[in-house]
Amino acid sequence: QSALTQPASVSGSPGQSITISCTGTSSDVGGYNYVSWYQQHPGKAPKLMIYEVSNRPSGVSNRFSGSKSGNTASLTISGLQAEDEADYYCSSYTSSIVVFGGGTKLTVL
Amino acid sequence: QVQLVQSGAEVKKPGASVKVSCKASGYTFTSYDINWVRQATGQGLEWMGWMNPNSGNTGYAQKFQGRVTMTRNTSISTAYMELSSLRSEDTAVYYCARGGVRRTLFYWGQGTLVTVSS
Repeated sequence: QSALTQPASVSGSPGQSITISCTGTSSDVGGYNYVSWYQQHPGKAPKLMIYEVSNRPSGVSNRFSGSKSGNTASLTISGLQAEDEADYYCSSYTSSIVVFGGGTKLTVL
Repeated sequence: QVQLVQSGAEVKKPGASVKVSCKASGYTFTSYDINWVRQATGQGLEWMGWMNPNSGNTGYAQKFQGRVTMTRNTSISTAYMELSSLRSEDTAVYYCARGGVRRTLFYWGQGTLVTVSS
């Protein structure tokens, strides 16, 4: 199973909005509404930010939102803050396994 | 609160095996799958497999089939991941994570660094 495709890096200024894409196939992203997004700060464990395409776990800011169209899922962060600077990974359930994207480094300018 | 506490860092020689533990607390251990994910230094996340602590059933990523074994001890709410025939490319931080519906990983352990070096 191939990894999902994410841009290597994105950047934005405080207060702006950014979107990170995650492209798969009809066998994973396109075939299931089980796309998740994880945030990882350096030296820390990943943290779930979005699950089942667009749901936020309790405690996650509503500045984070998720969507999906066809084989591409997206994570949007609005009102960028310095603490949002981190690596972001998408994942999709497919045929009993999990496939991750390669990760996107978000830089807050 | 849900906590997953993993065992400490390990240094192994090529060809050896390593067994990492993951002790769960704050919830009923047998009610949720445990998944294992690894991350080489500077690299992305790589899913290794899952285990149902109630039944002991497992499912492994094809890449690790034949080399990985996931087990549990329900009396102490602890899951284990053993990786054999280690090579330098297995040097990574290994995470356990509690799985939800369709392997959504809601809670993560702190990670265990495994270094494979001669």
